[in-house]
Amino acid sequence: DSGVTQTPKHLITATGQRVTLRCSPRSGDLSVYWYQQSLDQGLQFLIQYYNGEERAKGNILERFSAQQFPDLHSELNLSSLELGDSALYFCASSVRDSPYEQYFGPGTRLTVT
Amino acid sequence: AQKVTQAQTEISVVEKEDVTLDCVYETRDTTYYLFWYKQPPSGELVFLIRRNSFDEQNEISGRYSWNFQKSTSSFNFTITASQVVDSAVYFCALSESYTGGFKTIFGAGTRLFVKA
Repeated sequence: DSGVTQTPKHLITATGQRVTLRCSPRSGDLSVYWYQQSLDQGLQFLIQYYNGEERAKGNILERFSAQQFPDLHSELNLSSLELGDSALYFCASSVRDSPYEQYFGPGTRLTVT
Repeated sequence: AQKVTQAQTEISVVEKEDVTLDCVYETRDTTYYLFWYKQPPSGELVFLIRRNSFDEQNEISGRYSWNFQKSTSSFNFTITASQVVDSAVYFCALSESYTGGFKTIFGAGTRLFVKA
């Protein structure tokens, strides 16, 4: 158990819908990272927050957004969902904003039908 | 451009064999970080090692060892005396600075099968 929690574990929704994925980092970790893992794209970095501020953006679509709250939990919002958004979404946390080892949550498996 | 190549898609070995997973990276930064992660069949990602670009010392941790060579831009991972529990997908990753933060990209992964 990495200490990072993600909810929900599974999510099934229809195209065009909007969903929110939630992540709670390990106690004491200030950085949160979001990744998408799909069969065709592999593991892709989406976005990083450090202590509430956005620090780095990767291949995140405009339909996706994220934020980190004062209690350091983070949410990833996915809207206007398409079939291709079906993937495993991982959250990771680390102590600092530099790339220390990242501890990954169990992931949320999103299925868009 | 930032890139990580794991040329071996799948490797199959018999228990107790040694196996090396290759990782070649490309970056323009002089400061960067390299990682290996393990993804067992259960799906979670497990951190194995982190190396920064200024530390070329090889590292050994039990049956695991890593060989970092800047001259060839490689960061290879060797499992000695493999065990069935080592069966997993292994990802090599590269982090470099990016717009005030750090962006990490992963290789495509190498699926390791260890047969009893």
